[in-house]
Amino acid sequence: GAGVSQSPRYKVAKRGQDVALRCDPISGHVSLFWYQQALGQGPEFLTYFQNEAQLDKSGLPSDRFFAERPEGSVSTLKIQRTQQEDSAVYLCASSLGTAADTQYFGPGTRLTVL
Amino acid sequence: AQSVTQLGSHVSVSEGALVLLRCNYSSSVPPYLFWYVQYPNQGLQLLLKYTSAATLVKGINGFEAEFKKSETSFHLTKPSAHMSDAAEYFCAVSVSGSARQLTFGSGTQLTVLP
Repeated sequence: GAGVSQSPRYKVAKRGQDVALRCDPISGHVSLFWYQQALGQGPEFLTYFQNEAQLDKSGLPSDRFFAERPEGSVSTLKIQRTQQEDSAVYLCASSLGTAADTQYFGPGTRLTVL
Repeated sequence: AQSVTQLGSHVSVSEGALVLLRCNYSSSVPPYLFWYVQYPNQGLQLLLKYTSAATLVKGINGFEAEFKKSETSFHLTKPSAHMSDAAEYFCAVSVSGSARQLTFGSGTQLTVLP
């Protein structure tokens, strides 16, 4: 079956612009996660949804970051007024729902802020 | 809170030699442990996971890992390296409860020499 897909794969933004990153999880997966991966680092947690409910947003670095999953399927990560330090790969993952379940990752969106 | 330490940001082995990638974790509750592999410009792919069943876990592509509670370790091994194993490897931990996210180590870049 289809895996997790993300779009766009690459995004270049000028400092101060708003961007929206999309994630299509595996069908039927209850949990959806967003991670940020800086160059040469491991992914770091941003936020977590169970169905449409955002249960944890403790990893969002500032109030410029906003995520939603209105119908419990597709999710969008929005970054307002982008800054150079936002440049990173943004990874989306989905799973069946428990902490022991495998998280399946998408290919990521590479954001470059100029 | 849980954490992961991967010793050695870069490991080089000769083709056919043993691969050993080290991972130590810290967790106040029983952990779930994962190894993921990341190829350039791709998302993360699960190699194997420990979820409190057998302590020796076998994964894809000939990799295995052993959970050692007394040493708080979950090292990844493969008896004979192939050129195709060259990639970045991440160890990650999660715990049961409301926080379902993965906490990753900083990664180990594996180079396989001909």
